[in-house]
Amino acid sequence: GEDVEQSLFLSVREGDSSVINCTYTDSSSTYLYWYKQEPGAGLQLLTYIFSNMDMKQDQRLTVLLNKKDKHLSLRIADTQTGDSAIYFCAERTAGNNRKLIWGLGTSLAVNP
Amino acid sequence: NAGVTQTPKFRILKIGQSMTLQCTQDMNHNYMYWYRQDPGMGLKLIYYSVGAGITDKGEVPNGYNVSRSTTEDFPLRLELAAPSQTSVYFCASSYSSTNYGYTFGSGTRLTVV
Repeated sequence: GEDVEQSLFLSVREGDSSVINCTYTDSSSTYLYWYKQEPGAGLQLLTYIFSNMDMKQDQRLTVLLNKKDKHLSLRIADTQTGDSAIYFCAERTAGNNRKLIWGLGTSLAVNP
Repeated sequence: NAGVTQTPKFRILKIGQSMTLQCTQDMNHNYMYWYRQDPGMGLKLIYYSVGAGITDKGEVPNGYNVSRSTTEDFPLRLELAAPSQTSVYFCASSYSSTNYGYTFGSGTRLTVV
């Protein structure tokens, strides 16, 4: 079946790079997404990558996709305290009425 | 541009009471979704709609109902509230053809006591 897995917690020091990992099972994934949820707020789309791409960079964010291993990662360079949040990985598969399959989220703690 | 608006932001219900969580979007999105988020459990899809007049069940529809009479509005109805429905509820919307994912509302925190 369809499944998306993420580690639940990550702690980094301010200024370091953070790498949040995600694995998925459905090889028919078309798009993969990273969302950010700050405390008490809704989810905000950070970035997305099409399944025929290996990498996408957007300012401090780098998304890497290894389609063979069904592995997605989000690297945040120069992590700041404002990056502390929960990060959700989600995949959109072919068909499926545009429903996304969600990971449980990785809670990123940035320590000064 | 308001995006997706949810009301109320907070609500306390007594067991057995009913309420409607409101969701409206002004982006002319045809797809809309209701999720609940419980600590450590991620997002669970309750109901979704692919257009006005069309709704379908998600993973956890029991105890909820929806309607979609207009493109803009997608209310979620709780009948006979139970403590298990204590959660944070998120509404989201998307275009059918977009690859940009969903736009989320800011959520409704519901406590059933």
